[in-house]
Amino acid sequence: LAKTTQPISMDSYEGQEVNITCSHNNIATNDYITWYQQFPSQGPRFIIQGYKTKVTNEVASLFIPADRKSSTLSLPRVSLSDTAVYYCLVGDRGTGGFKTIFGAGTRLFVKA
Amino acid sequence: EPEVTQTPSHQVTQMGQEVILRCVPISNHLYFYWYRQILGQKVEFLVSFYNNEISEKSEIFDDQFSVERPDGSNFTLKIRSTKLEDSAMYFCASSELNFTEAFFGQGTRLTVV
Repeated sequence: LAKTTQPISMDSYEGQEVNITCSHNNIATNDYITWYQQFPSQGPRFIIQGYKTKVTNEVASLFIPADRKSSTLSLPRVSLSDTAVYYCLVGDRGTGGFKTIFGAGTRLFVKA
Repeated sequence: EPEVTQTPSHQVTQMGQEVILRCVPISNHLYFYWYRQILGQKVEFLVSFYNNEISEKSEIFDDQFSVERPDGSNFTLKIRSTKLEDSAMYFCASSELNFTEAFFGQGTRLTVV
């Protein structure tokens, strides 16, 4: 399983763009990159998933360079309610299961 | 929006007792999972379940734990002879396909006293 490394915490202000980078140097060919968000006392919530290049949805963008050894979650114009822990996960869709390892995540603090 | 529901939201049990945590995954999903999160710590994978059998499990998921899909809708986690260190938030999740978007329930807070 590819191990992921993220910053422990980040601070931002309302209205700013936030970029959280995750390193996954030993990512395998079949691995996908997925980001989740977790608020206190709630279950993680899926944000976005990608394999290569760029993926964008209504809440975020995911940038993956050609070597796929890292990825960057981009949150445009954050608000106070984006204060949460963000997890980067790497896993293989092709195996028989879903043994996903959540790392420590990145605690994002958005200030007014 | 479809959601995963878990019951109860909070369970208090005495050490040594058995508990069953219940989950109703999203109806058309094929993959089911249990995770736990000890207060202030990271989310830990316990087990994944597909096609009516365990597909993967972590080292945490020892003989004390078992999972079952007793009917077409429920997915349960049984913890036999609970220990104090089993106190945690337990999350159920489901996904349509393997490692695609997983939907998590709101969790069951288990307190072992």
